[in-house]
Amino acid sequence: QSVLTQPPSASGTPGQRVTISCSGSSSNIGSNSVHWYQQVPGTAPKLLIHSNNQRPSGVPDRLSGSKSGTSASLAISGLQSEDEADYYCATWEDSLKGWVFGGGTKLTVL
Amino acid sequence: EVQLVQSGGALVQPGESLRLSCAASGFTFSSYWIHWVRQAPGKGLAWVSRIEGAGSTTNYADSVKGRFTISRDNAKNTLFLQMNSLSAEDTAVYYCARSFRYFDGTYALDIWGQGTLVTVSS
Repeated sequence: QSVLTQPPSASGTPGQRVTISCSGSSSNIGSNSVHWYQQVPGTAPKLLIHSNNQRPSGVPDRLSGSKSGTSASLAISGLQSEDEADYYCATWEDSLKGWVFGGGTKLTVL
Repeated sequence: EVQLVQSGGALVQPGESLRLSCAASGFTFSSYWIHWVRQAPGKGLAWVSRIEGAGSTTNYADSVKGRFTISRDNAKNTLFLQMNSLSAEDTAVYYCARSFRYFDGTYALDIWGQGTLVTVSS
């Protein structure tokens, strides 16, 4: 049971816009920034979005993040086949002094 | 190139010990908090432990507290995870990851090692 709640799956056709939600509480998302990771099976996670809505160098601008209260979301527009992967949200949990993650969302490009 | 290269994963029996290593290059290793995150087969990511740049402060997830010890050798740019009293529930791919501080004061795990598989089975 993950501390942050994500839908287990999402899907879309090429060119569509897809959003993935992430829900937490006041002690994690409510008081800290949210980050998003992409993981292609068999490889290490890759940072996609940091500080709620900032893209690291090299991440395309068709990916965007947002946060409101104790929830956050990742949006991918202009869906491409290479976007097919698992996506995880993460934030700091003050009480644990550690990172908490969502359970992951498997994105399928139809 | 900024990278973390891991080693040490293996198949061990329940109750045994194992030490993982994570070698850093391309950045000033001693200036960063480094974390361990694990992923059980078919499951999501789970934070394990962290250590401050000088090695003086460490934190652990409740699931590993008292059994795992994180440490670092800044002279060799290497991070370690000593794992004792292993059980089947510790079976996972273990990743080391660097914590980077951004302009707004927030931290994120920006560089990850390739992962190393630990299997605990009799």
